[in-house]
Amino acid sequence: AQTVTQSQPEMSVQEAETVTLSCTYDTSESDYYLFWYKQPPSRQMILVIRQEAYKQQNATENRFSVNFQKAAKSFSLKISDSQLGDAAMYFCAYRSENGNEKLTFGTGTRLTIIP
Amino acid sequence: EAQVTQNPRYLITVTGKKLTVTCSQNMNHEYMSWYRQDPGLGLRQIYYSMNVEVTDKGDVPEGYKVSRKEKRNFPLILESPSPNQTSLYFCASSGRLVLNEQFFGPGTRLTVL
Repeated sequence: AQTVTQSQPEMSVQEAETVTLSCTYDTSESDYYLFWYKQPPSRQMILVIRQEAYKQQNATENRFSVNFQKAAKSFSLKISDSQLGDAAMYFCAYRSENGNEKLTFGTGTRLTIIP
Repeated sequence: EAQVTQNPRYLITVTGKKLTVTCSQNMNHEYMSWYRQDPGLGLRQIYYSMNVEVTDKGDVPEGYKVSRKEKRNFPLILESPSPNQTSLYFCASSGRLVLNEQFFGPGTRLTVL
């Protein structure tokens, strides 16, 4: 079974600075997908960015980018120019290419933005 | 507007009183799923459905039932709720494309006394 680990329960960053959230995962599969979800105080789950394992190029979405290291099974999220609206819980998630489209989530990192 | 809706959003009940949390999506998605979110545990899958009349257990199915009689609806049933089912519940849906985004409902906060 796949597992996802987020070793930073809480992080904080100064507004306009850059922060990196860590995520590692364990799998025996070669093809899979990785996601970062944001959960603001409203509790809504919002997809931030996704990465296909077969792609070497790191995904980027505006101020959000990932550092995907397949051999190390690492998938970190970098947030540039942090804004107050980025304050939220961030979850890393894994999805197998096969079968059930289940997302396996990490335990989350709570990000605080310091004005 | 494409969305997943859940009702109720908040529910306080007592041990043993049967309840149903409804989930509906308007995107004609085949796949639907239920997750529960607990502090320090992230989200864990309860049940999922690949299409109408096709359901299967996720990682934490004990104490829950589901049904998929219509494509748009996927209710979660707690026949005899217990305090350890106090949690935040999410319904999600997605289409057939491999990397289709899973759309999440707004969540249902359930408290079982």
